[in-house]
Amino acid sequence: GAGVSQSPSNKVTEKGKDVELRCDPISGHTALYWYRQSLGQGLEFLIYFQGNSAPDKSGLPSDRFSAERTGGSVSTLTIQRTQQEDSAVYLCASSIRQISGNTIYFGEGSWLTVV
Amino acid sequence: SQQGEEDPQALSIQEGENATMNCSYKTSINNLQWYRQNSGRGLVHLILIRSNEREKHSGRLRVTLDTSKKSSSLLITASRAADTASYFCAFTGGGNKLTFGTGTQLKVEL
Repeated sequence: GAGVSQSPSNKVTEKGKDVELRCDPISGHTALYWYRQSLGQGLEFLIYFQGNSAPDKSGLPSDRFSAERTGGSVSTLTIQRTQQEDSAVYLCASSIRQISGNTIYFGEGSWLTVV
Repeated sequence: SQQGEEDPQALSIQEGENATMNCSYKTSINNLQWYRQNSGRGLVHLILIRSNEREKHSGRLRVTLDTSKKSSSLLITASRAADTASYFCAFTGGGNKLTFGTGTQLKVEL
């Protein structure tokens, strides 16, 4: 597609439920990133995928968070047993290859509210 | 924390004035980028400056980088109301992780 596409745009879920957030990167981009942004805060790195390499999961805040990237394209971020502190905007980004020296392109984000 | 620090946290200016935002970081970097965010949603890339560059221009934007002081500044000249947004610096070190600064909220008033 023309840009990074994320869905859903907004999600309200009850505490304890699982949620899945989807990211469709720009076609041909091998690098994909997930970030989290709480209200009025900066961006917190979650996970990075590059081609067929093992993902960099160093930013995932707990084992309730996981992500996968199927076929080197679409990625799904899963949050299990959601907590209120998980409420944030989850931003996906992609770049043509590894980030150094390359621009990354962001989607519009998925706003998650846990009630 | 390896997160970049930006100042000021918030900046309010009149249309036509210049806006300067500063970013400081702690690690060695490969490059530093500036992004703009409207209404807390997607970020838009503005400009990238490499570690061996000291200054870069793009339209009304001017970015400087001082690797000895581990700092960068973004200058927006002749600001417009449409420039109202949050601005973030972001940088990569030896790895692939893009680390963001804390952001500056700019408000340009008519």
